[in-house]
Amino acid sequence: NAGVTQTPKFQVLKTGQSMTLQCAQDMNHEYMSWYRQDPGMGLRLIHYSVGAGITDQGEVPNGYNVSRSTTEDFPLRLLSAAPSQTSVYFCASSYQGLADSYNEQFFGPGTRLTVL
Amino acid sequence: AQSVTQLDSHVSVSEGTPVLLRCNYSSSYSPSLFWYVQHPNKGLQLLLKYTSAATLVKGINGFEAEFKKSETSFHLTKPSAHMSDAAEYFCVVTSLYSSASKIIFGSGTRLSIRP
Repeated sequence: NAGVTQTPKFQVLKTGQSMTLQCAQDMNHEYMSWYRQDPGMGLRLIHYSVGAGITDQGEVPNGYNVSRSTTEDFPLRLLSAAPSQTSVYFCASSYQGLADSYNEQFFGPGTRLTVL
Repeated sequence: AQSVTQLDSHVSVSEGTPVLLRCNYSSSYSPSLFWYVQHPNKGLQLLLKYTSAATLVKGINGFEAEFKKSETSFHLTKPSAHMSDAAEYFCVVTSLYSSASKIIFGSGTRLSIRP
């Protein structure tokens, strides 16, 4: 199993550009999520999904879109990049959503994004 | 409402000495508590979790944590630090009755190990 994979590892954008961060998992996990990590702030939840076709907003959703057409993939789209979106982005997955119980989240290696 | 506070942003210990990383939490419901470790330029890995079973939880790599409801604490300890323990550690709180948006990460504690 590859686990959770993210591409690209690094990206530099100019203000106003759009791009998609890719996330895939091969563990058949229902639950997937996107976080951003900023110095001194821990991880903050951007969007999450409890299954194909179902997504919802987390703590900091503005400026980001997601979709979940398959169980395996959960891309994160930046619509119009801003310097405030400079961050490290992590995708994570787990066996089930949090309505029942919390299961260990498996994290990807991260995407380091710089917006100039 | 839920919150988590990691009391130290940076802890430095000598190799072979005990490690203590402090975490206090606030939760309206019975909490589930976790510690994750992040090595440089890597993703996060679960160290251990508390979900209302035994209050003393043992994790990987010799780490353990004790849930103390009266003190609203979930401190992470290890008897003897190893150089490979140098990393960032995150305390996380959530609840059986919370939505996914209520997974709260602490701001992290960077652990440095002196030779």
